Amino acid sequence: ETGVTQTPRHLVMGMTNKKSLKCEQHLGHNAMYWYKQSAKKPLELMFVYSLEERVENNSVPSRFSPECPNSSHLFLHLHTLQPEDSALYLCASSQVLGGEYNEQFFGPGTRLTVL
Amino acid sequence: AQSVTQPDIHITVSEGASLELRCNYSYGATPYLFWYVQSPGQGLQLLLKYFSGDTLVQGIKGFEAEFKRSQSSFNLRKPSVHWSDAAEYFCATYQAGTALIFGKGTTLSVSS
Repeated sequence: ETGVTQTPRHLVMGMTNKKSLKCEQHLGHNAMYWYKQSAKKPLELMFVYSLEERVENNSVPSRFSPECPNSSHLFLHLHTLQPEDSALYLCASSQVLGGEYNEQFFGPGTRLTVL
Repeated sequence: AQSVTQPDIHITVSEGASLELRCNYSYGATPYLFWYVQSPGQGLQLLLKYFSGDTLVQGIKGFEAEFKRSQSSFNLRKPSVHWSDAAEYFCATYQAGTALIFGKGTTLSVSS
């Protein structure tokens, strides 16, 4: 595997389900990100992890719970979602050097549908 | 707060014609600027970036962009568009200590 991978690519879940999205980066980077991309809306940064510590959380509802067990893996745990949470969820990674976040490399995304 | 604006939501260009996608940024110091492309159902791919130095930046797939401080712009150009260039294009920037800030994107359609 190369680059940034995400699984699953598609997910359909009910509002009472619990599921997790997985992201893995094979680039040796030390920062990882979750973005939400809804139709007709700009990319929304959800979470940033740098050196496995959460450094940014942009007022994301608690039904989204991130986890970064190491610098290569990032999870987004989902529970009791709402239909408006249906979107493309993108993971990205970058190399943070001296406080500079540099360009991000993106995975293909997980298309989430909440029924 | 720092931001980028992409004034054009949707642009249609004939195959073989030239292309220019507009991006304006708001930031006092020299910004770090990026252009990404997203094909339908896919993640974002970096086309090019500007950090400093030469204001004309060459990227992949025959794209280039020019940083113009006087106009606060970083427009993306391609001399001859191919049908495979149809996609969504995002301009992005960041300041020290934060993650990328994206524009709302411009959808490019290519007509034959």
